[in-house]
Amino acid sequence: DQQVKQNSPSLSVQEGRISILNCDYTNSMFDYFLWYKKYPAEGPTFLISISSIKDKNEDGRFTVFLNKSAKHLSLHIVPSQPGDSAVYFCAGSNTGTASKLTFGTGTRLQVTL
Amino acid sequence: DAEITQSPRHKITETGRQVTLACHQTWNHNNMFWYRQDLGHGLRLIHYSYGVQDTNKGEVSDGYSVSRSNTEDLPLTLESAASSQTSVYFCASSEDLRAGRVEQFFGPGTRLTVL
Repeated sequence: DQQVKQNSPSLSVQEGRISILNCDYTNSMFDYFLWYKKYPAEGPTFLISISSIKDKNEDGRFTVFLNKSAKHLSLHIVPSQPGDSAVYFCAGSNTGTASKLTFGTGTRLQVTL
Repeated sequence: DAEITQSPRHKITETGRQVTLACHQTWNHNNMFWYRQDLGHGLRLIHYSYGVQDTNKGEVSDGYSVSRSNTEDLPLTLESAASSQTSVYFCASSEDLRAGRVEQFFGPGTRLTVL
């Protein structure tokens, strides 16, 4: 049972435009959601998180939106830059069971010139 | 600067051999985790630990074991390596939830090939 789903394996966006990466989840017990960015041959790096009591969190060019009723979250990157080309993972956390993360399968973002 | 390191970065072994992957963190985090990354599966949790002498099974723990004798290290052992264990392995650590942060910090990964 895939509790966190990223249905788009890849996305291509032009430099300067908005990138929107989507994530759906089935576990209603998740109370935090996180986005990670991963370059080839490196470990994932934390980007941004959101608590389930919020519907938006912003950090510079990155904004995460949470729609609890739809069990859906999205990561917006504005404006997109070539250095944003990477694989993005979304993850859910149930802090009631401590700090385990459940990851989606990832979306590969390519930002073209 | 605090960091999390993994060794070796690349390993080739044969079916049936015992393999140990090292993970060392200098964050002084109590929580440590091992994941494997495979195409189409994302990152899946193998084992985790909330402190010294504490270990717990994750989603895909069969064929793997861990031990936690100090805060800094969580070695992952494959008792008898199988070709299905060919993967990229990531170690991660995090603060206690009481610190108010949920994010995990990841090491650079170990690429393991079992022939």
